Amino acid sequence: AQSVTQPDIHITVSEGASLELRCNYSYGATPYLFWYVQSPGQGLQLLLKYFSGDTLVQGIKGFEAEFKRSQSSFNLRKPSVHWSDAAEYFCAVGPSNDYKLSFGAGTTVTVRA
Amino acid sequence: SAVISQKPSRDICQRGTSLTIQCQVDSQVTMMFWYRQQPGQSLTLIATANQGSEATYESGFVIDKFPISRPNLTFSTLTVSNMSPEDSSIYLCSVEKSDTQYFGPGTRLTVL
Repeated sequence: AQSVTQPDIHITVSEGASLELRCNYSYGATPYLFWYVQSPGQGLQLLLKYFSGDTLVQGIKGFEAEFKRSQSSFNLRKPSVHWSDAAEYFCAVGPSNDYKLSFGAGTTVTVRA
Repeated sequence: SAVISQKPSRDICQRGTSLTIQCQVDSQVTMMFWYRQQPGQSLTLIATANQGSEATYESGFVIDKFPISRPNLTFSTLTVSNMSPEDSSIYLCSVEKSDTQYFGPGTRLTVL
């Protein structure tokens, strides 16, 4: 069975500072990996995804993530955070054959001025 | 990507009643999914809805409580039946395109 762990429930970061959100997964084969963002009262927006190839993937809003097979990780990063990045971030993993996703518990990001 | 809309965006309902949530996508898709997000929690898959076949429910979810329709390739409904306060959640639909799920804005349901 697949599973996702996001170790950090809540992160507070200053505007302009860098951000890294951790994600560890458990899956028997090569997974499909995703990061989604949910702003308050909104649905989920896809930030980026990894299927294969280059292990460093670029996404929208200046985010990037790196797939590390040896560590079963897919951490999300942003070099300089903006106040609008305050939101809930979800890591998700899925197999390629039935498209079902397993979500992590989420990390809430607070941005202070 | 896909543009997905849901109706209603939010509702407040009395216990024992039912609510039908609609999900409309701007292009034809084979697979649609329904999720529940309880307050302060992550997303849990309720069922997968493919056009032309019965919905497939995940463990812990049953058709009598969450009947789903999928009449065509751009539309689906989820009904939350005989509601109780424990059903208060955000309900989201998603669609699969190019091995990626895209989500609607969600329906925020409060049951009194």
